[in-house]
Amino acid sequence: GQNIDQPTEMTATEGAIVQINCTYQTSGFNGLFWYQQHAGEAPTFLSYNVLDGLEEKGRFSSFLSRSKGYSYLLLKELQMKDSASYLCAVRDRSGNTPLVFGKGTRLSVIA
Amino acid sequence: GAVVSQHPSWVICKSGTSVKIECRSLDFQATTMFWYRQFPKQSLMLMATSNEGSKATYEQGVEKDKFLINHASLTLSTLTVTSAHPEDSSFYICSAREGASGYNEQYFGPGTRLTVT
Repeated sequence: GQNIDQPTEMTATEGAIVQINCTYQTSGFNGLFWYQQHAGEAPTFLSYNVLDGLEEKGRFSSFLSRSKGYSYLLLKELQMKDSASYLCAVRDRSGNTPLVFGKGTRLSVIA
Repeated sequence: GAVVSQHPSWVICKSGTSVKIECRSLDFQATTMFWYRQFPKQSLMLMATSNEGSKATYEQGVEKDKFLINHASLTLSTLTVTSAHPEDSSFYICSAREGASGYNEQYFGPGTRLTVT
């Protein structure tokens, strides 16, 4: 089976740093993705990890440990517009296979 | 980045009628498209994988006779919800990939909100 776990909700303060964790147990592994989704809108791509380590892109960074089945998304200098759901997704094999999504983490940024 | 469009963006229909949702890749060819469904405050649940020129592969629990998928060209896939019922009300999102390698991200359409009355 496949299982992807994320916290359901998080709250953080504007200007702060927040880390959203994701753990996964899948039959195989061919990459982990993070998406941002605002209410009523489609997900937008944030990051991709296939090797262990940290990928940095502006205010957002994503980390992967394949041996631990663990990833996190780090958001720095939080802005109000960062309030959204953050979806962790795994591709469990190569080829034209779909992403399997976790339930998402709803992040609320407060002043 | 690549653009995926969906039409309509929202639709209200009566119970028992059928609704067709179109998904188009506007600036790339998508051999494979994926259809997801999302209920409020839930994550995206994969319904089916649509391959151009062949039958769609449905996920367990998804009725293929109720959710008809056609992928007639490399840029268009359609999802038809037949004999819709209120429990089919949901946010339907399509997604497409440019290539088959692991790096290629999935581009998502803007979604179609279906309300069945």
